[in-house]
Amino acid sequence: DTGVSQNPRHKITKRGQNVTFRCDPISEHNRLYWYRQTLGQGPEFLTYFQNEAQLEKSRLLSDRFSAERPKGSFSTLEIQRTEQGDSAMYLCASSLSTGLSGNTIYFGEGSWLTVV
Amino acid sequence: KNQVEQSPQSLIILEGKNCTLQCNYTVSPFSNLRWYKQDTGRGPVSLTIMTFSENTKSNGRYTATLDADTKQSSLHITASQLSDSASYICVVIDHGNKLVFGAGTILRVKS
Repeated sequence: DTGVSQNPRHKITKRGQNVTFRCDPISEHNRLYWYRQTLGQGPEFLTYFQNEAQLEKSRLLSDRFSAERPKGSFSTLEIQRTEQGDSAMYLCASSLSTGLSGNTIYFGEGSWLTVV
Repeated sequence: KNQVEQSPQSLIILEGKNCTLQCNYTVSPFSNLRWYKQDTGRGPVSLTIMTFSENTKSNGRYTATLDADTKQSSLHITASQLSDSASYICVVIDHGNKLVFGAGTILRVKS
């Protein structure tokens, strides 16, 4: 257990439904990342936050995807009108940004989404 | 083309043997390079972190090397164990603090 908690761990939803995933990072970590991973591939960057500010969003993050980190602590990733292509594992990671390189980035166990 | 390429895609070795996984990257400039181990269905776990000025870093039976001139890294696993069976992912951090992942090498250790 790395200390990064993701919920739910598994979600099966019908196409067209909305889903929301939650990530609780390690408490003192100010940086939080979301990644998506499909079978046999490495994780793909979606977005990241420094405290409550969303600093970067990938082009992969279509307008059906939205992420928030309202108080700079936990974060949510919402997918609206899910499509079968959204089926993947959604990974959250956190780190402490100190201005130095080499801070360990800790990943959660991921949230598996299956869209049927 | 992926900015981080790993080889081989998959590898099967006998328990107790050594193996070396390769990572070539084009991310530039880069801040640091990391190797992660990912068990099936789990999140990645950090093995090593190297800045551009470091050539080698060890973590138990794992030793990572980095040649920033040729933009190559390797992960050497010594005396493999069944529990080493996993995907090993090379990750390069750019100066924007974005993680660029390779597709991983799937290692299977057989008894």
